[in-house]
Amino acid sequence: EPEVTQTPSHQVTQMGQEVILRCVPISNHLYFYWYRQILGQKVEFLVSFYNNEISEKSEIFDDQFSVERPDGSNFTLKIRSTKLEDSAMYFCASRDRVAGNTIYFGEGSWLTVV
Amino acid sequence: DQQVKQNSPSLSVQEGRISILNCDYTNSMFDYFLWYKKYPAEGPTFLISISSIKDKNEDGRFTVFLNKSAKHLSLHIVPSQPGDSAVYFCAASALNTDKLIFGTGTRLQVFP
Repeated sequence: EPEVTQTPSHQVTQMGQEVILRCVPISNHLYFYWYRQILGQKVEFLVSFYNNEISEKSEIFDDQFSVERPDGSNFTLKIRSTKLEDSAMYFCASRDRVAGNTIYFGEGSWLTVV
Repeated sequence: DQQVKQNSPSLSVQEGRISILNCDYTNSMFDYFLWYKKYPAEGPTFLISISSIKDKNEDGRFTVFLNKSAKHLSLHIVPSQPGDSAVYFCAASALNTDKLIFGTGTRLQVFP
């Protein structure tokens, strides 16, 4: 069964450093997302991306965050200058046009900022 | 932001019995609802969904019921199996938006 894959599975970074989280969405999907879950909290929407542009973003997704689809397969989340409170599990997700709003998630990238 | 609530943080059910997980929402603009299952350190796995034009959707052992007037949905798992032990999240999306709003999750434990 096709799946969303994410790398790295775990990254430790120093505060202030830039981090890039990578995702390969399901191949025929057109809509891409990043969500995150801080330990002990619920899963939160960050951003949605369609047709090479951001279609919606949350208040969390400030100027420190950016997304990119540099080629036909990868979808990346960049955090320019990480803060301690960015420590979370980051989930990439995707969906196709036909499946309604059923979104399929990757395994997650656990980011620890120290 | 408590638009989607799961008031039971945990549920314990014996194998073979029915598990009922509940979810309440406040936003009347929600028109699509989903249930996800999540193991620790893994991504949410899609289980079942329901559109607001329906009141029931069934897929194998999983059935989701939607009561729009009460703004309530529930997930029934029958029969429950030990492998069902995980955290279950309900999520909702509204017309003209592309994001899911998640509940806080209910940890289900199915014991032999």
